[in-house]
Amino acid sequence: TQLLEQSPQFLSIQEGENLTVYCNSSSVFSSLQWYRQEPGEGPVLLVTVVTGGEVKKLKRLTFQFGDARKDSSLHITAAQPGDTGLYLCAGLTGTASKLTFGTGTRLQVTL
Amino acid sequence: DAGVIQSPRHEVTEMGQEVTLRCKPISGHDYLFWYRQTMMRGLELLIYFNNNVPIDDSGMPEDRFSAKMPNASFSTLKIQPSEPRDSAVYFCASSSWTVEAFFGQGTRLTVV
Repeated sequence: TQLLEQSPQFLSIQEGENLTVYCNSSSVFSSLQWYRQEPGEGPVLLVTVVTGGEVKKLKRLTFQFGDARKDSSLHITAAQPGDTGLYLCAGLTGTASKLTFGTGTRLQVTL
Repeated sequence: DAGVIQSPRHEVTEMGQEVTLRCKPISGHDYLFWYRQTMMRGLELLIYFNNNVPIDDSGMPEDRFSAKMPNASFSTLKIQPSEPRDSAVYFCASSSWTVEAFFGQGTRLTVV
């Protein structure tokens, strides 16, 4: 079983602060995705990273794929209340389309 | 496209009853996934189909769970008999070759 551990599990910060969420595994993934889930909704894809060492930016969010393609990080700059939600990483192996989801990081951003 | 459509949104049933969850994937997507989400275990893959054929059902917890995909536009997940520990949010998702999974809004199942 390929496990994706995320840290921290919970994070409560104030508006304007920066934060980093980590996604770690002992397995190698061909690509890794980050999703955000809001209450009462399904997860929604934020980004896919494919190449080891790849960095992608989405406005205030920066995603990085580890060189060995076993880990990833999500950095949010100047967090806003709208960033509140559950952040999930998901790894894809080989040619299968089966996504393995991480344990999740629940982020709360307050005014 | 309306996205992935799941029904019902909420289901409350008594222990021992049969429960059927329904999913309509996005047209043109050839992969369909059933997930279960709980606070304790997070998002777990139960089963997935490719071109209506079950590919991996290793996540189905017990024989009480079964899933079918009779055609490209419809899938069901059935629990018979249901137990309180089956209470969770069940998500259906579909994807194509791009591998982005599009999720439905989920079915919140409560077994009392």
